[in-house]
Amino acid sequence: DIQMTQSPSTLSASVGDRVTITCRASQSISIWLAWFQLKPGKAPKLLIYKASSLESGVPSRFSGSGSGTEFTLTISSLQPDDFATYYCQHFNNYPWTFGQGTKVEIK
Amino acid sequence: QITLKESGPTLVKPTQTLTLTCTFSGFSLSTSGVGVAWIRQPPGKALEWLALIYWDDDKYYNPSLKTRLTITKDTSKNQVVLTMTNMDPVDTATYYCAHRLVAMALDYWGQGTLVTVSS
Repeated sequence: DIQMTQSPSTLSASVGDRVTITCRASQSISIWLAWFQLKPGKAPKLLIYKASSLESGVPSRFSGSGSGTEFTLTISSLQPDDFATYYCQHFNNYPWTFGQGTKVEIK
Repeated sequence: QITLKESGPTLVKPTQTLTLTCTFSGFSLSTSGVGVAWIRQPPGKALEWLALIYWDDDKYYNPSLKTRLTITKDTSKNQVVLTMTNMDPVDTATYYCAHRLVAMALDYWGQGTLVTVSS
């Protein structure tokens, strides 16, 4: 199985900050990576697919980059609605696996 | 507009079999390329992919749970059913279903249903 390692596990930031979350795959997954935002009691939301493609309706302050084994999710200017937990997930082959999550907290 | 909703028991006893239903609208599981997956999240832990079924009845399972899982579809009812046998307290989690197209990410998710395993 491909292991996905996210860092940091927790991130404290202020509104307006630039935030970067890293996801590393244990082997190459090309661009087959997605980023999700989770909030308690709500359906998970797809933000980025194929490493860098912005899902329709997602604000442009979210961006993704990377290929192979190293990926990043960047929020260019953190907004109050962005305090949540973020997960990366590979869909290169089965079984799909997720990172451990990054909780973005208010500083 | 694509929507998915999970349903099933909120409480099951250890050793029992869990049956969850994903009822969806806005797409058909008879359309080429369409799939529905199940994912779970134990309290305070990460997401875990469980199973996936495609329009052509192709099925994929997480190897760590494969012996306990069965995924089926009822195209006429717009439903996907997941059964998990021999439930254990460690299976306590919020269970989600989600839509995907082949070679794309899980783009629409249900809100999830919390299943507690306890005697």
